[in-house]
Amino acid sequence: GQSLEQPSEVTAVEGAIVQINCTYQTSGFYGLSWYQQHDGGAPTFLSYNGLDGLEETGRFSSFLSRSDSYGYLLLQELQMKDSASYFCAAQTGANNLFFGTGTRLTVIP
Amino acid sequence: NAGVTQTPKFQVLKTGQSMTLQCAQDMNHEYMSWYRQDPGMGLRLIHYSVGAGITDQGEVPNGYNVSRSTTEDFPLRLLSAAPSQTSVYFCASTNWGGANTEAFFGQGTRLTVV
Repeated sequence: GQSLEQPSEVTAVEGAIVQINCTYQTSGFYGLSWYQQHDGGAPTFLSYNGLDGLEETGRFSSFLSRSDSYGYLLLQELQMKDSASYFCAAQTGANNLFFGTGTRLTVIP
Repeated sequence: NAGVTQTPKFQVLKTGQSMTLQCAQDMNHEYMSWYRQDPGMGLRLIHYSVGAGITDQGEVPNGYNVSRSTTEDFPLRLLSAAPSQTSVYFCASTNWGGANTEAFFGQGTRLTVV
């Protein structure tokens, strides 16, 4: 089966940096994605790592280490609107996405 | 751009009733999928399709049927609704392409089975 583990909750201060970790155990792993979901909304794509290393998109960066079966999402210059749930998702050989249980980020003033 | 359109947004069913959740995309993606989201359990894959006429089961397929007669449409059928199927359902359309791999989600259907 597939399993992805991430912390259930994280709290951080506005303007700070926060890192959300994800460890995975899957078969036929191709890459790791990150999605953001606000309460009552749909998941929206943030980033995709198909290769080891760091991908940067504005205030968001994502990292992947295949040898460690590990990745993380880094959010910089936190804003109140970043309060949301964040999901890592593993792309498998069947081109399916399997999601972690999500990390609820709360940004406080 | 419409992207992925799901209907209905909300639905209440009685146990044993059947219904179809509609999903349509206008991005010409071959791959489409259905997920359910329950509190504390993330999104779980129900069924997926890699193109018209081709469907397969995901993690939690029991109680659901799908078909894919066109590239655009991927409906999900609940055969005989049960309270355990109370959930939020998301349809997704995905462009698989290396660094540009991205799933586009519909706005969800909030289903309650009583």
